[in-house]
Amino acid sequence: DQQVKQNSPSLSVQEGRISILNCDYTNSMFDYFLWYKKYPAEGPTFLISISSIKDKNEDGRFTVFLNKSAKHLSLHIVPSQPGDSAVYFCAASVSASGNTPLVFGKGTRLSVIA
Amino acid sequence: GAGVSQSPSNKVTEKGKDVELRCDPISGHTALYWYRQSLGQGLEFLIYFQGNSAPDKSGLPSDRFSAERTGGSVSTLTIQRTQQEDSAVYLCASSLSGNEYGYTFGSGTRLTVV
Repeated sequence: DQQVKQNSPSLSVQEGRISILNCDYTNSMFDYFLWYKKYPAEGPTFLISISSIKDKNEDGRFTVFLNKSAKHLSLHIVPSQPGDSAVYFCAASVSASGNTPLVFGKGTRLSVIA
Repeated sequence: GAGVSQSPSNKVTEKGKDVELRCDPISGHTALYWYRQSLGQGLEFLIYFQGNSAPDKSGLPSDRFSAERTGGSVSTLTIQRTQQEDSAVYLCASSLSGNEYGYTFGSGTRLTVV
């Protein structure tokens, strides 16, 4: 039973445009969400996070939106750059302060075309 | 060290053999996690160590898998009598405290069972 779902395996976007990556979750106990970025042959790196008490968190070109009632979050990258081409993983936790293992989705491969 | 170090980076083994994968976390990080990523799948949680507490082994797929963490630092994941379905990238991560800033992942060990 997948608790964190990324239904789009891949996404292709032109350079300069907006990339929108989506993530849905089923466990209503999740209250902290993270996005990771992974390049080939490297480990995932933390990108941005959001707590359930917020509906938006912004860091430069990256913004994460959370719709708790719909159990949905999205990552917006604007403007997209070729260096953003990577696999993006959505992850969720029942606590920001605890060490409960993160639950990850299957990832979305983003290709930004120059 | 500066990051999470995993060795070997690649391992090819014959079905039925035992393998040991090593993880050297960031110095001072009390939490250590093992995940694996099979082809086309997300990051699957395997086991989690927190300080001197008993590890959370709830993600281990079978009793052929075991892990230990010596002296609160280096961890070894052991897979006995490897099977072809064990082929995956095994990722180790560590964190200082809590999930707020996510984990720092190593580059992983790509295990291929032939």
